Amino acid sequence: DSGVTQTPKHLITATGQRVTLRCSPRSGDLSVYWYQQSLDQGLQFLIQYYNGEERAKGNILERFSAQQFPDLHSELNLSSLELGDSALYFCASSVLGYGGELFFGEGSRLTVL
Amino acid sequence: ELKVEQNPLFLSMQEGKNYTIYCNYSTTSDRLYWYRQDPGKSLESLFVLLSNGAVKQEGRLMASLDTKARLSTLHITAAVHDLSATYFCAVDSSGGSYIPTFGRGTSLIVHP
Repeated sequence: DSGVTQTPKHLITATGQRVTLRCSPRSGDLSVYWYQQSLDQGLQFLIQYYNGEERAKGNILERFSAQQFPDLHSELNLSSLELGDSALYFCASSVLGYGGELFFGEGSRLTVL
Repeated sequence: ELKVEQNPLFLSMQEGKNYTIYCNYSTTSDRLYWYRQDPGKSLESLFVLLSNGAVKQEGRLMASLDTKARLSTLHITAAVHDLSATYFCAVDSSGGSYIPTFGRGTSLIVHP
């Protein structure tokens, strides 16, 4: 158990819909990273938050947004979903503000039909 | 832009054999990590390598880092079936953001 909690574990939705993925980092970790894992693209960095502030942005689509709340949990919002958004979405936390060893949640598997 | 390349991407080996997985990266960094992922599961940290010449060992796995060559290796000794998994290396990009960038992963299958 990494100490990182992600919900939901699985969700199935239709194109055009919106979903929210939730992540609670390990106790004491201030950084939260979101990654998308798909067979063809591997692990792609989406966005990082540190202590409530956006720290870095990767190849995150404009249809996607995220935030980190004062209690340090984070949410990733995916809207106007397309078939290609089907993937495993991981949240990871780190004690460092810049990089470092990541502790991953179990992931949220999103299927868009 | 930091690029991280692993090879091989697929590896099928027999129990008892030795093999090495390679991880090359394109820009200067002295922070490299190895992770393991079982099918359908999360990623688990295996090794943290933070300096040139760093070597870490855990059981049948040994990881090393050569920052001058921008190369890390993950050596498997006398493979057993339980080592079957996908192994990822990740490198913290330099230049301010230090975002962990992952290789494509090496899918390892160990046959009896």
